[in-house]
Amino acid sequence: DPVMTQTPLFSSVALGQSASISCRSSESLVSRDGETYLSWLHQRPGQPPRLLIYKVSKRFSGVPDRFSASGAETYFTLTINALETDDVGVYYCLQSSKFPHSFGPGTRVEIK
Amino acid sequence: QLVQSGAEVKKPGTSVKLSCKASEYTFRKSAMQWVRQTRGQPLEWIGWIVVANGDTDYAHKFRERATITTDMSARTAYLEMTGLTLDDTGVYYCATGGVAPAIWGRGALLAVST
Repeated sequence: DPVMTQTPLFSSVALGQSASISCRSSESLVSRDGETYLSWLHQRPGQPPRLLIYKVSKRFSGVPDRFSASGAETYFTLTINALETDDVGVYYCLQSSKFPHSFGPGTRVEIK
Repeated sequence: QLVQSGAEVKKPGTSVKLSCKASEYTFRKSAMQWVRQTRGQPLEWIGWIVVANGDTDYAHKFRERATITTDMSARTAYLEMTGLTLDDTGVYYCATGGVAPAIWGRGALLAVST
């Protein structure tokens, strides 16, 4: 089963600067249909997670283009440009390519 | 939208059944998944069900204790957990979407306490 890891686990970034989060899978996330179902979600305290990115690099509806993502096979990254106060919280990668699905441990982003 | 049932307080060793009602007719074409977050821990995938055919899959640690079902006429998905322990205390979310969990319920608090 894919095991997801993230680095860093904690990131302190000044407003307006960029944050980059990596997500690594213990095995390739290319599914049988040839697609890679790697998503990024953001969770603020006390709220449910919110989908940001799906299928590695596609921004979900309403997600600003300050959020970008890339990757393939086992290594993926999320970049947040021009960090805003609303961006604080925990970011999770989620693989849905293989069963059972699995989340990364999360990366907490705070404002420096 | 996904509307989840309310908070539950249970004793260790008992069971709980949480519900998640979908507001959209597209419920039949969807897959519903359950995710939990216990005591400040990361999100944890429990399992999912393909509503159209009832196929399910579960994370290994929940395979013996979790059962996900649906009632299509009520557009509702359920998560039943048996053999509750104190470590099951947390918030349980249902989520649905196409290729990723785009719509989330607000979560249901489960407190397991003696």
